[in-house]
Amino acid sequence: GDSVTQMEGPVTLSEEAFLTINCTYTATGYPSLFWYVQYPGEGLQLLLKATKADDKGSNKGFEATYRKETTSFHLEKGSVQVSDSAVYFCALTSGNTPLVFGKGTRLSVIA
Amino acid sequence: GAGVSQSPSNKVTEKGKDVELRCDPISGHTALYWYRQSLGQGLEFLIYFQGNSAPDKSGLPSDRFSAERTGGSVSTLTIQRTQQEDSAVYLCASSFSGLATNEQFFGPGTRLTVL
Repeated sequence: GDSVTQMEGPVTLSEEAFLTINCTYTATGYPSLFWYVQYPGEGLQLLLKATKADDKGSNKGFEATYRKETTSFHLEKGSVQVSDSAVYFCALTSGNTPLVFGKGTRLSVIA
Repeated sequence: GAGVSQSPSNKVTEKGKDVELRCDPISGHTALYWYRQSLGQGLEFLIYFQGNSAPDKSGLPSDRFSAERTGGSVSTLTIQRTQQEDSAVYLCASSFSGLATNEQFFGPGTRLTVL
C-alpha cells in the first residue's frame, strides 16, 4: 500500500538557519502530496501541496517540489523563525483515498 | 460553520465504558474522515465517508469501533468497551469532495484518555 517516510526528529535549529525536512513516498498511480503543520496546542492545518510531478508548493516561506523521479517531496525554508516551531507531517493521497501520513517531524527553533 | 468542530475536546473514561465522539464538518463538504493520532503510531486513518456511498471502514482497528454519518453531515465515532490502548487524539477532517486535489480541513480533535 501507499506509504510516506519522513526524517525522524526532533530537529533543533537556531533562528535564521536553513531548514530541510526529507520526505519520500511509495504510491501506486499519481498521488497528490501535502505538508501539514501542527503548531503547539492547535489542530492540523495544510501548509502546502503539489498535485503533479514538478509542481512546487509554497506558503509562508516554505517550499516543496514534487519529484517523481526520486519519489520525494522535501520541505525547505531558507530562514526559520521561532514561530515555525511545530510538528510537520508529510502526506499523500491517491484518488478517492484518505491521507497517508508520515510519522511527523518536530521542529524547535531557538532564538 | 467556520471550520470543522469536534466535541468533546477532552474525554476521560474508565476502561470498559463506551464513548461517543462527534464531528461537525464544514457545510457543503461531502467527504468526511476520521483519523487517530497517538504517540508512537503517528496519524492513522480510521474511516471515510463520501456522499451517500458506503463508508470505507478499512482503517478501523477492531469491531469495537464504529461510525455513522447522519444526513450526510454530522458524524459520530463510537468506541465500545474502551481499552487503555484507545487513548489518543481523534481527529475529524472534511473536504469538498473526495478528490485527491482537495484539501482536507481538520478539526481540533478530541483527546480521549482511558483509565
